[in-house]
Amino acid sequence: RKEVEQDPGPFNVPEGATVAFNCTYSNSASQSFFWYRQDCRKEPKLLMSVYSSGNEDGRFTAQLNRASQYISLLIRDSKLSDSATYLCVVNYNFNKFYFGSGTKLNVKP
Amino acid sequence: GAVVSQHPSWVICKSGTSVKIECRSLDFQATTMFWYRQFPKQSLMLMATSNEGSKATYEQGVEKDKFLINHASLTLSTLTVTSAHPEDSSFYICSALGSSYEQYFGPGTRLTVT
Repeated sequence: RKEVEQDPGPFNVPEGATVAFNCTYSNSASQSFFWYRQDCRKEPKLLMSVYSSGNEDGRFTAQLNRASQYISLLIRDSKLSDSATYLCVVNYNFNKFYFGSGTKLNVKP
Repeated sequence: GAVVSQHPSWVICKSGTSVKIECRSLDFQATTMFWYRQFPKQSLMLMATSNEGSKATYEQGVEKDKFLINHASLTLSTLTVTSAHPEDSSFYICSALGSSYEQYFGPGTRLTVT
């Protein structure tokens, strides 16, 4: 079983749609959680950290459910520029990180 | 967010030569940096964890004598691909660890070995 699992997609949505991604992790002792976006042939860029209380940044909302061991990312009012691959990253034991394989989002006009 | 640079951004070299890639954290100090490689349409693959002032920790299957890592200061880690071969052609990305365990990635180095 993979440490971190994501639906690879692709998610094809129209502009303005709301889309949600989930990511499950297997290690209950995981400590920190993050969402990154990666554009084609570019490096991952930190989108947001994920906290137990949930956090929001504009159109993006991230949530953590420790009991069920998943994190989620909600994108409201999708823009064409949101098209990318979204990676969830889980930190365990300070320097140990597990990456999901990424969920591809295509926002269509 | 914090800024991490990599140099060069792309390099073409001949088989058998060595290539050095630099990773710098520009506006913060990073005790820990990571080196990844990524093949087209695949996930990032961690190669090694680079700790300032100590030896790097390599992932299973990564040859430490082939991929030499030096983390000589809190803002610089280098990866040297020694005796490069065409199968080493890849996208190499470094990251620096922030204070809240977030990683800030460099823009990557595209290596082509001919």
